[in-house]
Amino acid sequence: AQTVTQSQPEMSVQEAETVTLSCTYDTSESDYYLFWYKQPPSRQMILVIRQEAYKQQNATENRFSVNFQKAAKSFSLKISDSQLGDAAMYFCAYRRGIQGAQKLVFGQGTRLTINP
Amino acid sequence: DVKVTQSSRYLVKRTGEKVFLECVQDMDHENMFWYRQDPGLGLRLIYFSYDVKMKEKGDIPEGYSVSREKKERFSLILESASTNQTSMYLCASSPLRRNTEAFFGQGTRLTVV
Repeated sequence: AQTVTQSQPEMSVQEAETVTLSCTYDTSESDYYLFWYKQPPSRQMILVIRQEAYKQQNATENRFSVNFQKAAKSFSLKISDSQLGDAAMYFCAYRRGIQGAQKLVFGQGTRLTINP
Repeated sequence: DVKVTQSSRYLVKRTGEKVFLECVQDMDHENMFWYRQDPGLGLRLIYFSYDVKMKEKGDIPEGYSVSREKKERFSLILESASTNQTSMYLCASSPLRRNTEAFFGQGTRLTVV
């Protein structure tokens, strides 16, 4: 079974600085997707960024980027120029790459606090 | 935009009651999921469905059942609510194609007293 581990229950960063959230996963599959979701106090889960395992290039979305190390099974999220609105729970998630009803497997979450 | 709507944001029920949590999506997605979210444990899958009347157990199905009579609606049922089912419940949907994420509802915070 696939597992996802986030070893940082809480992180904090000064506004405008950069922070990196860690995620490791375990799978025997070669075709899969990895995601970072954000859950603000409103509780609405929002997709931040997605990485396809067969792509070597790290995904980026504006201030958000990932460091995908497939051999090490590591998938960290870097937030640059942190803003107050980035404060939220962040979840790393894994999904198998085959078409169909493939569930998302989530990590434990990291609560990110932005200090003004 | 994809919209996944859960019928209640907050719910308080008594021990032993039968509880229904409803979820509706408007994007004709085949897959629907129910997750439970607890601090320090992340999101754990309770049940999922890939078609009408089809369902599969997730990681923590005990004490729960589901119903999917229509494609857009997926209901989670607590047959006899217990205090250890106090939690946040999240519904999600996704299409069958491989290169897409799941879309979530706003969550239902259920308290069983």
